[in-house]
Amino acid sequence: AQSVTQLGSHVSVSEGALVLLRCNYSSSVPPYLFWYVQYPNQGLQLLLKYTSAATLVKGINGFEAEFKKSETSFHLTKPSAHMSDAAEYFCAVSDSGGSNYKLTFGKGTLLTVNP
Amino acid sequence: EAQVTQNPRYLITVTGKKLTVTCSQNMNHEYMSWYRQDPGLGLRQIYYSMNVEVTDKGDVPEGYKVSRKEKRNFPLILESPSPNQTSLYFCASSLSGTSAEQYFGPGTRLTVT
Repeated sequence: AQSVTQLGSHVSVSEGALVLLRCNYSSSVPPYLFWYVQYPNQGLQLLLKYTSAATLVKGINGFEAEFKKSETSFHLTKPSAHMSDAAEYFCAVSDSGGSNYKLTFGKGTLLTVNP
Repeated sequence: EAQVTQNPRYLITVTGKKLTVTCSQNMNHEYMSWYRQDPGLGLRQIYYSMNVEVTDKGDVPEGYKVSRKEKRNFPLILESPSPNQTSLYFCASSLSGTSAEQYFGPGTRLTVT
């Protein structure tokens, strides 16, 4: 069974500061890993994904994440926060094995950006 | 425009009254899925479908039914809704399974009294 833990349900940063959102996963097979973002009153959209190619993955809006197998982590970072980054962020994992149809989400981290 | 649509967007109903939430995608995607989102619990997968007439349970299937008679449509059926099914529901689709980017609908906010 796969699971995802997002450390910190709420993260607050100042505009221009580093954004770091933490995600740890467990999976019995090599995983596919994703970060999705949800803006208020909207559905989710994909920020970036890891599917066993490069361990450092670049996504949209200046975000990136690094897959660290030894730490079972896939933390999301952005060097400089912008007000428009305020949203809820979800880490998700699915198996790269025979059946990659089940997607497990973390509980989400709400990012607040202060002026 | 490529999109996933859901209807209705908002629904208030009473316990036991059967309802259907429709989901349609115009991207010719094989894979479709339903999630519910609850505060503090994130998104949990209810059911998914790999193709027409092929569906399987997710993590929280109790109290829900689905069908996939056409590739573009994947309705969610609540035969006898209960208050614990009050939630925000999302439909999603992708080209092939969860390794591909999933496209989410705008959500359906359901309240069961």
